[in-house]
Amino acid sequence: AQSVAQPEDQVNVAEGNPLTVKCTYSVSGNPYLFWYVQYPNRGLQFLLKYITGDNLVKGSYGFEAEFNKSQTSFHLKKPSALVSDSALYFCAVRLQGYNYGQNFVFGPGTRLSVLP
Amino acid sequence: DGGITQSPKYLFRKEGQNVTLSCEQNLNHDAMYWYRQDPGQGLRLIYYSQIVNDFQKGDIAEGYSVSREKKESFPLTVTSAQKNPTAFYLCASSIDDGDNEQFFGPGTRLTVL
Repeated sequence: AQSVAQPEDQVNVAEGNPLTVKCTYSVSGNPYLFWYVQYPNRGLQFLLKYITGDNLVKGSYGFEAEFNKSQTSFHLKKPSALVSDSALYFCAVRLQGYNYGQNFVFGPGTRLSVLP
Repeated sequence: DGGITQSPKYLFRKEGQNVTLSCEQNLNHDAMYWYRQDPGQGLRLIYYSQIVNDFQKGDIAEGYSVSREKKESFPLTVTSAQKNPTAFYLCASSIDDGDNEQFFGPGTRLTVL
C-alpha cells in the first residue's frame, strides 16, 4: 500500500540547535512531497514541497527539506530551532494516477518541542 | 485577502442534532476537501469535490453529507448518524491538477454534549 510514515511521534530539541523531523514514503512512481505545520487549534500551513529538480528544497520560516530517492525519505530540517517552531508537523505525498481527492496522503504527524 | 474561511470556530451540538459547518474560499480553486482530525491524530478525508455540483466520498464519509452548489462554498453537514462527531474539522482547497498544494482553513472544533 502507498503510504507516508513519520517514525517519531515527538521530537525535542534545544533552542538554537539544528532540528530534523523525519518522513519516509512508500509509493510507486515519482511522488510530489509536502510539509505542513499546524499550531494549536489552527489549520495546516504549507511550508514547502518537492516536485522535481534540486533535492534540497527551501521553504518558509527558514525550513528546508532534503529529498532522498534511494532512501525514500523527505526529512524536514532547520539549522537553528526557535521556541516558536514548536508545533505539529505533517508530511504529505501526492500520488499520481489516483482518483483526484484521494491522492493526497498525510502522515500521522510529529510533535516538535523546542526547549528554551 | 485571499484565503479559506471556516465558521464557526467552535460549535456545540446536542446528540441527535444535525449541524452544518461552513467553508468558503476566494482563491478560485476548483477542488475542495473536508478532513477530520482527532486529538493527536493525523487527517482523515471525509469528502472532496473536484468541481461544482460534483463530490465524492473519502475514507470516512458515513454520517456526513456535503453540497457544492457554488465554486466558493463547500458546506459539511454532520448528521445524527455520525456516532462520534466530536473532532476538529478542516476544510482545504487546491488548484485542480498536478503538483499543487492544498490550502487549509482555520478549522472548526465540534463538541457533542
